[in-house]
Amino acid sequence: GAVVSQHPSWVICKSGTSVKIECRSLDFQATTMFWYRQFPKQSLMLMATSNEGSKATYEQGVEKDKFLINHASLTLSTLTVTSAHPEDSSFYICSASGTGGRVYEQYFGPGTRLTVT
Amino acid sequence: GENVEQHPSTLSVQEGDSAVIKCTYSDSASNYFPWYKQELGKRPQLIIDIRSNVGEKKDQRIAVTLNKTAKHFSLHITETQPEDSAVYFCAARNTGNQFYFGTGTSLTVIP
Repeated sequence: GAVVSQHPSWVICKSGTSVKIECRSLDFQATTMFWYRQFPKQSLMLMATSNEGSKATYEQGVEKDKFLINHASLTLSTLTVTSAHPEDSSFYICSASGTGGRVYEQYFGPGTRLTVT
Repeated sequence: GENVEQHPSTLSVQEGDSAVIKCTYSDSASNYFPWYKQELGKRPQLIIDIRSNVGEKKDQRIAVTLNKTAKHFSLHITETQPEDSAVYFCAARNTGNQFYFGTGTSLTVIP
């Protein structure tokens, strides 16, 4: 149990376009979802926390107008990278935590590799 | 916000030896401390965790200790095996349910 999926797994886009990444909890209700960014050989950097039905809380230094996060249901959150630039190229990972016994743990998606050319 | 520091950044040990990774955190209200193992290009996998009301937890070859007063926690891997080679991250969860990660430790177990 506690499976989180992400789509797409890899996307290549041209500079200036927008890309949407989906994060789904497949077998539990995710009250909170997190979006991370990871550069090669570096740690996971928390970008934002989203609770279902609420606006996302962004970490300091993360542009909320550039990284649009929507958590419309208890099983789906989306991250849209708007007007992507090469420096946005990175590995984006979502995670989800649920209720009850799953409120402490977070379950990671497989990640999405974004390459902006 | 929370600040998590992790040491060492790289660690090489001989197969069969023990490995210890240490983390410190800044927010005394943080209440949950997981450790993750991440292989290249893959998602982090939870290997062990500890809550703030516990001082030590063990699962086979892996153990975690927590010192709330000093705000540090450590991962101990005994009898290391080559398949333990990976990057390990510690994390701290604050009362806002946000997780902050350490900078990672690249562990290499030499056969």
